[in-house]
Amino acid sequence: QQPVQSPQAVILREGEDAVINCSSSKALYSVHWYRQKHGEAPVFLMILLKGGEQKGHEKISASFNEKKQQSSLYLTASQLSYSGTYFCGTRSTGTASKLTFGTGTRLQVTL
Amino acid sequence: DSGVTQTPKHLITATGQRVTLRCSPRSGDLSVYWYQQSLDQGLQFLIQYYNGEERAKGNILERFSAQQFPDLHSELNLSSLELGDSALYFCASSASPGGQSPLHFGNGTRLTVT
Repeated sequence: QQPVQSPQAVILREGEDAVINCSSSKALYSVHWYRQKHGEAPVFLMILLKGGEQKGHEKISASFNEKKQQSSLYLTASQLSYSGTYFCGTRSTGTASKLTFGTGTRLQVTL
Repeated sequence: DSGVTQTPKHLITATGQRVTLRCSPRSGDLSVYWYQQSLDQGLQFLIQYYNGEERAKGNILERFSAQQFPDLHSELNLSSLELGDSALYFCASSASPGGQSPLHFGNGTRLTVT
């Protein structure tokens, strides 16, 4: 089953912060985050395994709440280069290893 | 550059035809995934292979089939094509099959069915 992402779209001014949420109805083994710019391939940002860890990648970090089957991606002090569509991908526990992606969150950073 | 190579970049074909999309995974990666992305839509999982064996299957149509060869490259075959099959088809590879390592995506094959 496809994870649900929110919001669907967000517009930021450069320097502002944003949070993108991803939730699943199933128990999760791992959560992936990717960014896709228009006309390009998705690019890996980070992966979180069950255990509630938080990871960071420059000014982008993420958390994984295993009990709530939710993950959040935090973008701080956004830059123009952050614009794109963000996808979370989830792999459920006890299932075959397919990675199912959410519908995406379109992020636009303006001056 | 992700290291994943997909060919061809573009394909234009007519309804009812059959096409083959090819993917070479990143060096050292044993797992290959295929995804379909329709215009401005999400990534729909089709199928996954690991070291030559089918590992997981999504909502792949019966008209579609895939395989992974001993040299680890993979092919996705689409037959009896319909207009609705027009999409961007991505291949991705990863080191392990279980969702614990990142997916590296190729640049995709854009299929247009006329």
